[in-house]
Amino acid sequence: DIQMTQSPSTLSASVGDRVTITCRASQNINTWLAWYQQRPGKAPKLLISEASNLESGVPSRFSGSGSGTEFTLTISSLQPDDFVTYYCQQYNSDLYTFGQGTKLEIK
Amino acid sequence: EVQVVESGGGLVQPGGSLRLSCEGSGFTFSRYAMSWVRLAPGKGPESVAAISGSGGITHLADSVKGRFTLSRDNSKNIVYLQMSRLRVDDTAVYYCAKGQLSGSGSRPDYWGQGALVTVS
Repeated sequence: DIQMTQSPSTLSASVGDRVTITCRASQNINTWLAWYQQRPGKAPKLLISEASNLESGVPSRFSGSGSGTEFTLTISSLQPDDFVTYYCQQYNSDLYTFGQGTKLEIK
Repeated sequence: EVQVVESGGGLVQPGGSLRLSCEGSGFTFSRYAMSWVRLAPGKGPESVAAISGSGGITHLADSVKGRFTLSRDNSKNIVYLQMSRLRVDDTAVYYCAKGQLSGSGSRPDYWGQGALVTVS
């Protein structure tokens, strides 16, 4: 299985801050990486696919980059609604796998 | 409109069995992979099982191999997750998801509302 390692696990920040979350794959996954936002009790919401493609309706403050084994999710100016949990997901294998998540907390 | 609807969740004792069903509509069911992802309390998403559009290829997470099986009936637009020898740590909300493509590893693009499985 391809292992996905996210960092940090928790990130404290303020409204308006620029933050970056990193995801590392245990092997090359090209750009077969997605980023999700998850709210308690809800299914994950897709933000970005193929490492950098912003999904329709997702605010432009979200952006993704990377390829191979190193990826980042950047939120350019945090809004109050953004303080939830984010996951990366690889889909370069027979069974996609998720990172362990990054929880954004208000500083 | 694409819809994915789970059913069959509930309370079961450790060692027991349960079958989850997932019905898809609004798309040509046999052309797309289907998968199950679970969200346990306080934990991140875990992809549990995936099946190709034809049903010929299935993959299970190591945590459920030998206990869970996955199948689909394309004539009924339903995918089944048969869960046996359930453990307390299988307690989670189980989401069914439609894949973007037919391969089992295809990224999910539509999710159901979830089915709660409680093992206690």
